Amino acid sequence: GESVGLHLPTLSVQEGDNSIINCAYSNSASDYFIWYKQESGKGPQFIIDIRSNMDKRQGQRVTVLLNKTVKHLSLQIAATQPGDSAVYFCAETRSGGYNKLIFGAGTRLAVHP
Amino acid sequence: DSGVTQTPKHLITATGQRVTLRCSPRSGDLSVYWYQQSLDQGLQFLIQYYNGEERAKGNILERFSAQQFPDLHSELNLSSLELGDSALYFCASSKVNVLALSSYEQYFGPGTRLTVT
Repeated sequence: GESVGLHLPTLSVQEGDNSIINCAYSNSASDYFIWYKQESGKGPQFIIDIRSNMDKRQGQRVTVLLNKTVKHLSLQIAATQPGDSAVYFCAETRSGGYNKLIFGAGTRLAVHP
Repeated sequence: DSGVTQTPKHLITATGQRVTLRCSPRSGDLSVYWYQQSLDQGLQFLIQYYNGEERAKGNILERFSAQQFPDLHSELNLSSLELGDSALYFCASSKVNVLALSSYEQYFGPGTRLTVT
């Protein structure tokens, strides 16, 4: 069935370093991808999205890269801060008005001072 | 604050009981989605409503049902509860073009934590 998976369940980084969180997706028909951040006790928070007609998109301190050839997404966080500690999920969907998101398993990012 | 509200925040109930979870979408969003988050299953899509009509179904059990009202708020009804139904239930909303041109980001509420004992 459709699935979105993550390579690393836990990522520990030093404050100030750059973080890279990876995600693989399996549905080649997916054309819209989103990264969410979930802090303890809260709902997923939208970080950044990318459509399949792009291979890179930048936000504030975050960059998403999309490689459709190998069905791979990554989220890069520059100058990681303690407030970035959370679980990060990638999600995929296919345009069609239904917008059902398929979520990956999640990666926990732990930022150490 | 995403603009999506959910009540109650916490719910503790016994097996066999029925509960109703409520969601109010962001102002202007016509589409509402329900997701279940459990430790062993991650975030799973349950069901989507658009402007009062069911649009898509995911891994939603027969014991679960939902509806979206004319004021666009939505309710998720869970009946004959089992221990395994204990989870976080999230509602999300988005604008969505049902003519299939684009998908849009979904904004999530804070969730309802359901504990079945």
